[in-house]
Amino acid sequence: EAGVVQSPRYKIIEKKQPVAFWCNPISGHNTLYWYRQNLGQGPELLIRYENEEAVDDSQLPKDRFSAERLKGVDSTLKIQPAELGDSAVYLCASSMSGPGTGELFFGEGSRLTVL
Amino acid sequence: DAKTTQPPSMDCAEGRAANLPCNHSTISGNEYVYWYRQIHSQGPQYIIHGLKNNETNEMASLIITEDRKSSTLILPHATLRDTAVYYCIVRPANSGYALNFGKGTSLLVTP
Repeated sequence: EAGVVQSPRYKIIEKKQPVAFWCNPISGHNTLYWYRQNLGQGPELLIRYENEEAVDDSQLPKDRFSAERLKGVDSTLKIQPAELGDSAVYLCASSMSGPGTGELFFGEGSRLTVL
Repeated sequence: DAKTTQPPSMDCAEGRAANLPCNHSTISGNEYVYWYRQIHSQGPQYIIHGLKNNETNEMASLIITEDRKSSTLILPHATLRDTAVYYCIVRPANSGYALNFGKGTSLLVTP
């Protein structure tokens, strides 16, 4: 069975340009997460979805970041315009919903470099 | 969520047991202890989790103290491929709670 798939794997853009990341979770996983990981740090949650609904987006910088999960499956994370400080790895994860579901499955991440 | 404290780095000789400690003195009764690891340039990978009893799987063993204020992840025979950052996280076992990662412990397994 395929794991969490993310694209692109790497992206280099100039500041003020837009960028988008795509995530396809594991089939049947209703919960989807986007994390950002800065160099030398642990991942930090940006947004969590339960099906199509964003149930926790308190850490998402809403002035420039947006996310969507149409039809409750694939998700995209967009940054517009990108800033130098947005250089990081953007990780997508998915899990099953409900009690006893502590295991998150992560994709390999999308590494963003803003010049 | 309860906070965790881990040493920033550890070394271990290949073939020896790696014992990674984690302090979680403010853990709540409904919070589990989870361990994930992240190999360079990959996403984090689930290792094991437990509530109060010791747990073992094909990857590792988890020893939780009786008062649940600390735990130890044991890799019984470390290999070079176990070189990674190991994260100890406490949270309820429910999808309604995201994982809050700290900085973890960077484990270096040497030949």
